[in-house]
Amino acid sequence: AQSVTQPDIHITVSEGASLELRCNYSYGATPYLFWYVQSPGQGLQLLLKYFSGDTLVQGIKGFEAEFKRSQSSFNLRKPSVHWSDAAEYFCAVGAMEYGNKLVFGAGTILRVKS
Amino acid sequence: ETGVTQSPTHLIKTRGQQVTLRCSSQSGHNTVSWYQQALGQGPQFIFQYYREEENGRGNFPPRFSGLQFPNYSSELNVNALELDDSALYLCASGREPNTEAFFGQGTRLTVV
Repeated sequence: AQSVTQPDIHITVSEGASLELRCNYSYGATPYLFWYVQSPGQGLQLLLKYFSGDTLVQGIKGFEAEFKRSQSSFNLRKPSVHWSDAAEYFCAVGAMEYGNKLVFGAGTILRVKS
Repeated sequence: ETGVTQSPTHLIKTRGQQVTLRCSSQSGHNTVSWYQQALGQGPQFIFQYYREEENGRGNFPPRFSGLQFPNYSSELNVNALELDDSALYLCASGREPNTEAFFGQGTRLTVV
């Protein structure tokens, strides 16, 4: 079965520090990958996506992610976190071979301390 | 702003009742998917519609059904509501299946 693991339920970083959120997936097919961000009570905003090509993808708000096929990972990074980045982050994976659904991880809650 | 709007934003229903949630997609988006997000969890795929036909379904019972209309609007219907149906319901639209999906703000359903 397809699955997505975000090992960290909560992460706290200081404002200005770097950030890495981990995402690992188990998929029997060539995946396409997304990171979404969700503020409390809100919908999901797409940060970045990977379908093919360059494995390092740039997104909005200064985020980037790197697809590592050998490690089945798609970790999200940001060099310098701002207080407004505090939110919940979801990694999601899809594949044409598995229909049209996205499988989401359980999310990582990011807290930013000043 | 994704151009995907959902209504209502909140509602409360009684166990056993039926509910209809609505979504308005961006013009030109032929695909709409619905997700259920329980508190503290990631979204779970309910089903997808493409050009007004169901195009994939997750592990949800038949009492969850949907419709997609030519005017880029869609509905999620849930019959015989159960307490566990309490969740945030998210609609996501895209141009084609397997392309990026844009999410609405969600409808918070509480079943009492």
